[in-house]
Amino acid sequence: GEQVEQLPSILRVQEGSSASINCTYENSASNYFPWYKQEPGENPKLIIDIRSNMERKQTQGLIVLLDKKAKRFSLHITDTQPGDSAMYFCAANPGSFNKLTFGAGTRLAVCP
Amino acid sequence: EAGVTQSPRYAVLQEGQAVSFWCDPISGHDTLYWYQQPRDQGPQLLVYFRDEAVIDNSQLPSDRFSAVRPKGTNSTLKIQSAKQGDTATYLCASSFLWGVFFGKGTRLTVV
Repeated sequence: GEQVEQLPSILRVQEGSSASINCTYENSASNYFPWYKQEPGENPKLIIDIRSNMERKQTQGLIVLLDKKAKRFSLHITDTQPGDSAMYFCAANPGSFNKLTFGAGTRLAVCP
Repeated sequence: EAGVTQSPRYAVLQEGQAVSFWCDPISGHDTLYWYQQPRDQGPQLLVYFRDEAVIDNSQLPSDRFSAVRPKGTNSTLKIQSAKQGDTATYLCASSFLWGVFFGKGTRLTVV
């Protein structure tokens, strides 16, 4: 199996600043690490992911870093906007079939 | 491309009642998942299928929960004799190779 710890649980930032969320995992066999954004009443939406053969991935204001030695991965949102306010979940997959184990979530609030 | 479709969107039950949730995955996705998401928590996997076969149902409370995917397309999750602790959003998701995509879920309240 897998255990994923996600911190912080609540994050408040000023509009235009950066936000960072950190996750750690236990199973060294985990090879796929997606991030989801979930707005109230909506489904979790995949926003970026990284596989174990990469250390960094960037797309549209999002950066994901993966440190396999430390079993740690992180999401960085640059130039935050009020529309970035939501719950964010990290996840890890320890094997085949994308059997994801999720972190407990981070509630991000971007203040004007 | 249509996303994962679930119904109903909401359900309110008394304890002891039964309920079924239905899921239509993204066309061509061979793997289908059911997750339970309690309020303000991350999704927790209940069961998943590849085509019509159950791959892992070890997290299903088996005495009251059951799930089927008889033709490897749509799926049904059923709760017999619901309890207040079952109150949560039930999310269906599907995947093919990389990427897991979620439906909007069914928000279940057991009173």
